[in-house]
Amino acid sequence: EPEVTQTPSHQVTQMGQEVILRCVPISNHLYFYWYRQILGQKVEFLVSFYNNEISEKSEIFDDQFSVERPDGSNFTLKIRSTKLEDSAMYFCASSGGQIAPDTQYFGPGTRLTVL
Amino acid sequence: AQTVTQSQPEMSVQEAETVTLSCTYDTSESDYYLFWYKQPPSRQMILVIRQEAYKQQNATENRFSVNFQKAAKSFSLKISDSQLGDAAMYFCAYRSAINDMRFGAGTRLTVKP
Repeated sequence: EPEVTQTPSHQVTQMGQEVILRCVPISNHLYFYWYRQILGQKVEFLVSFYNNEISEKSEIFDDQFSVERPDGSNFTLKIRSTKLEDSAMYFCASSGGQIAPDTQYFGPGTRLTVL
Repeated sequence: AQTVTQSQPEMSVQEAETVTLSCTYDTSESDYYLFWYKQPPSRQMILVIRQEAYKQQNATENRFSVNFQKAAKSFSLKISDSQLGDAAMYFCAYRSAINDMRFGAGTRLTVKP
């Protein structure tokens, strides 16, 4: 069964450093998303991406964040200058398949720790 | 703005018994989707069940079923014959036609042997 994959599973970085979180969505999906979950809190929407551009973003997704689909398979989230409060679990999701086009399937997440 | 409320931070159930997790939401839209996701200790988000708002019939997936009350904006999850592997955080989520998903705060389910 196809699934969303994310790398790395755990990323540790120093405050102020740039990080790139990588995702490979399900191959026939058209919509891609990033969410984050600070430890002990709810899952929060960051951004959605369709047809090579951002379709919607939340207030969390400020100028420090960017997304890119550099080739036909990868979908990346870049944080330019990480802050302590960026420590969280980051989930990639995709949707738009033929069977359940409205259902978002999540990857296993990347745990980001900012020191 | 759409909000999703899960009023039960924690629930527990005896193995093989039935438990119901509550979820309410607020929206002015008529076309939307509702989901329950399970998050085990590994923290992966696993889809449990989905419901389209235009469908009156409640969704069912094996031991999991929902009670969808559109007028009351309620979407509860019933887990029958609870198993130890059902222990996890359960998140209710709402998605409009615009695509972004709103999650509730979650309910931590404990299953007692």
